[in-house]
Amino acid sequence: GNSVTQMEGPVTLSEEAFLTINCTYTATGYPSLFWYVQYPGEGLQLLLKATKADDKGSNKGFEATYRKETTSFHLEKGSVQVSDSAVYFCALNSGAGSYQLTFGKGTKLSVIP
Amino acid sequence: GAVVSQHPSRVICKSGTSVKIECRSLDFQATTMFWYRQFPKQSLMLMATSNEGSKATYEQGVEKDKFLINHASLTLSTLTVTSAHPEDSSFYICSARDRGGRGVGYTFGSGTRLTVV
Repeated sequence: GNSVTQMEGPVTLSEEAFLTINCTYTATGYPSLFWYVQYPGEGLQLLLKATKADDKGSNKGFEATYRKETTSFHLEKGSVQVSDSAVYFCALNSGAGSYQLTFGKGTKLSVIP
Repeated sequence: GAVVSQHPSRVICKSGTSVKIECRSLDFQATTMFWYRQFPKQSLMLMATSNEGSKATYEQGVEKDKFLINHASLTLSTLTVTSAHPEDSSFYICSARDRGGRGVGYTFGSGTRLTVV
C-alpha cells in the first residue's frame, strides 16, 4: 500500500536558519506529491506540489524536488521566519483513479527570534 | 483560488446530542469530499469519502451510523456526529476535490473543533 514517512519533530530553529524536513514515500505507479502546512487552530493549506519525477515545487521560499530514484520529496527553505512556525505534512496521491491523499504524521516547526 | 467554507469553527455540545458540520465549496464543484479527524499532535485520519449523490465510503473502524455524511449537492457536504460522547471530541477537517479539471487539486476547510462535555 501507499505510505509516507517524514521526520519526526518537533523541529526548533532560529530565525534565518536553513530548514530541511525529510519525506520519503512508498507508492505504486506514479504518485503526485504534496506539502501541506497547518497553522495553529486552522485547516491545511497546500504549500507546494509536484506531479512527476524531477519536478520542483516551490512557494513562499519553500522548495521540494520529486526524486523518484530515492522516493523522496524533502522540503527546504533557505531562511526561515517566525511566521513559518506551523505543522508541515507530506502527502501523496497515487493516481490510478483514486483521489485519496495519504499523509505523513506531520512535523511541527517552531522558529524562534 | 478554490475555497471551502467549513463551519462551525468551534462547537461545544452536551454528551448525547448531535452536531452537524458543514462544508461548502464556494467557487467550484466538489464531486468528492473527504472527511478527516485529527487528534492532538497526530496526523489526519481519513474517516470517509463521499461522492455527490451517492453514499459515503467509510474507512475501516469508522462507525457509519455515528458519523453521518451527506453530500447532496456539488457544493455542500455535511458530517453529523450523532449521540456525541466526550471521546468524539476532536478536530474535524473536510477536503474537497475540484471537479473542474485543475489537475490533482484538493482544498481543505479550516476545520471544526468539537468539544463534547
